Amino acid sequence: GAVVSQHPSWVICKSGTSVKIECRSLDFQATTMFWYRQFPKQSLMLMATSNEGSKATYEQGVEKDKFLINHASLTLSTLTVTSAHPEDSSFYICSATSGTTPAAYEQYFGPGTRLTVT
Amino acid sequence: AQKITQTQPGMFVQEKEAVTLDCTYDTSDPSYGLFWYKQPSSGEMIFLIYQGSYDQQNATEGRYSLNFQKARKSANLVISASQLGDSAMYFCAMREGRDNQGGKLIFGQGTELSVKP
Repeated sequence: GAVVSQHPSWVICKSGTSVKIECRSLDFQATTMFWYRQFPKQSLMLMATSNEGSKATYEQGVEKDKFLINHASLTLSTLTVTSAHPEDSSFYICSATSGTTPAAYEQYFGPGTRLTVT
Repeated sequence: AQKITQTQPGMFVQEKEAVTLDCTYDTSDPSYGLFWYKQPSSGEMIFLIYQGSYDQQNATEGRYSLNFQKARKSANLVISASQLGDSAMYFCAMREGRDNQGGKLIFGQGTELSVKP
């Protein structure tokens, strides 16, 4: 099956600093990548949709200047949390789809990144 | 706007028995897809099963089957012969549009399943 990786798997940063999370599709070209956020015992909330080579589309209520998303290639998308605060502490998950193979309908999820802001 | 509802925050099932996790949805798009994912405590999202809105038959994948009732807008997950390893959070999700349009997934609130030995 298709594999999506995320790096780092966990990160601790100080309040006010920025942190970058990478999402890579390892064995397929991802035309679209999605970034989700999940608080403990809650559902996944979509933050933004990114298509290779174009600006990300953010969901309502998500600050695009705080959560910078770049989808520079067909295998890599990055999420940068700028000026992080303790309330940004969460589990961030990316997913990727090619719209064709391996399966047109399926999104492939990364293992997630746990961010803790102190 | 599309909406997904899971009304069971938590469920218990005895090992080797079957269990049904409920999911209802709402959309005005005639083309959509319905998904079930399993999320163990490690956090990874494990794809279980998919049902397209035009699929005539209910989807099955091993011990998982999706009870798709289009008129009722429900897509319940049935797990047969529960195993201890099935204990996890289960999410129902929906994507509007055709399969190859790469549409976003909207998730339900989740159901935490606990399998008792």
